[in-house]
Amino acid sequence: AQRVTQPEKLLSVFKGAPVELKCNYSYSGSPELFWYVQYSRQRLQLLLRHISRESIKGFTADLNKGETSFHLKKPFAQEEDSAMYYCALKRTGANNLFFGTGTRLTVIP
Amino acid sequence: EAQVTQNPRYLITVTGKKLTVTCSQNMNHEYMSWYRQDPGLGLRQIYYSMNVEVTDKGDVPEGYKVSRKEKRNFPLILESPSPNQTSLYFCASRRTGINEQFFGPGTRLTVL
Repeated sequence: AQRVTQPEKLLSVFKGAPVELKCNYSYSGSPELFWYVQYSRQRLQLLLRHISRESIKGFTADLNKGETSFHLKKPFAQEEDSAMYYCALKRTGANNLFFGTGTRLTVIP
Repeated sequence: EAQVTQNPRYLITVTGKKLTVTCSQNMNHEYMSWYRQDPGLGLRQIYYSMNVEVTDKGDVPEGYKVSRKEKRNFPLILESPSPNQTSLYFCASRRTGINEQFFGPGTRLTVL
């Protein structure tokens, strides 16, 4: 069975500091990994996906199959990055996403 | 505007009183899904639907029903709500073959 672990429920960083939100997964196949973000009073929305290898709002995430991780990183945190972040996994051939428990990021001015 | 809508946004009810939370999307998406969000547990999938008249259980289906009679609508039905169904509920949709899900604004349900 698949499992997505986000070990930090809460994470606080100062503005301008680097930030890393951890995500580890367990799945025997080749997963697709995603990061979703929920800003205050807004809907949950896709931030980025590993297959795109893109940088969105300064965030990047690299799939490390050896460490089974998909950590979300940003070199310089901004106040507007404060939000709830969810890591999600899609199994090969499956139709649904499996979400982690989320990390609430607070960027301190 | 392309979006997923949910109604009601807030609901307080009592144990055993049947209720329905509606979900509608205007993007012609085939796939729709319901999640509940609870502190410390994240989002857990309740039911999903691949297309009209095709529904399947997610991870926590007990106590819930769904139907998909039309492509745009995917209502969540609680026949006999209980306090442990107090939660924040999200509906989502996506196009088949595209992995990005679009979420509704959420429905906060309290069962007394």
